[in-house]
Amino acid sequence: GAGVSQSPSNKVTEKGKDVELRCDPISGHTALYWYRQSLGQGLEFLIYFQGNSAPDKSGLPSDRFSAERTGGSVSTLTIQRTQQEDSAVYLCASSNSLAGVSGELFFGEGSRLTVL
Amino acid sequence: QKEVEQDPGPLSVPEGAIVSLNCTYSNSAFQYFMWYRQYSRKGPELLMYTYSSGNKEDGRFTAQVDKSSKYISLFIRDSQPSDSATYLCAILNTGGFKTIFGAGTRLFVKA
Repeated sequence: GAGVSQSPSNKVTEKGKDVELRCDPISGHTALYWYRQSLGQGLEFLIYFQGNSAPDKSGLPSDRFSAERTGGSVSTLTIQRTQQEDSAVYLCASSNSLAGVSGELFFGEGSRLTVL
Repeated sequence: QKEVEQDPGPLSVPEGAIVSLNCTYSNSAFQYFMWYRQYSRKGPELLMYTYSSGNKEDGRFTAQVDKSSKYISLFIRDSQPSDSATYLCAILNTGGFKTIFGAGTRLFVKA
């Protein structure tokens, strides 16, 4: 596809359930990011993948959150035992550099998660 | 203290007005400064980026960076209803990879 693709676009789940969010980055982009956007809170960095290097997980809010990137392409963000405070829009972005001078982030449209 | 502070607004202006959007940041190591625009229920898109202090102009948009006061601005001239969106400032330190975003300012331009 031409852009970053995320699925599902909307997810409603019950507290305590696990959810998986998928991101398909732009072909050839080596860097992949997950951000979380809550109302009035801006974009909160969660995790960063660059090529085959170990991911930077410094933004993950708790051990209920994990992410993986298979084959250097598709990524899955997993939230276990969801809580109401996990409700937010989860945005994935990819980049074709180390986000330096030309490292524009290309975002998907996000996965809107609602935990009841 | 957040690394990037931005007033979330909302900011409402009449069509044709000059809009000024601002952010402050705390770390002098930051070198790259960006503005992203986000329409409702869409992902953010890069609008402008600048390196170090100074101005950069692109059509009706001007980005300004004042590193001495750690202050960045985006000016929109002759604002249009189609400019109604959330504007997020973003910063990146040299050699870094983590783009840090402000909270975003919601702008409404009334016809």
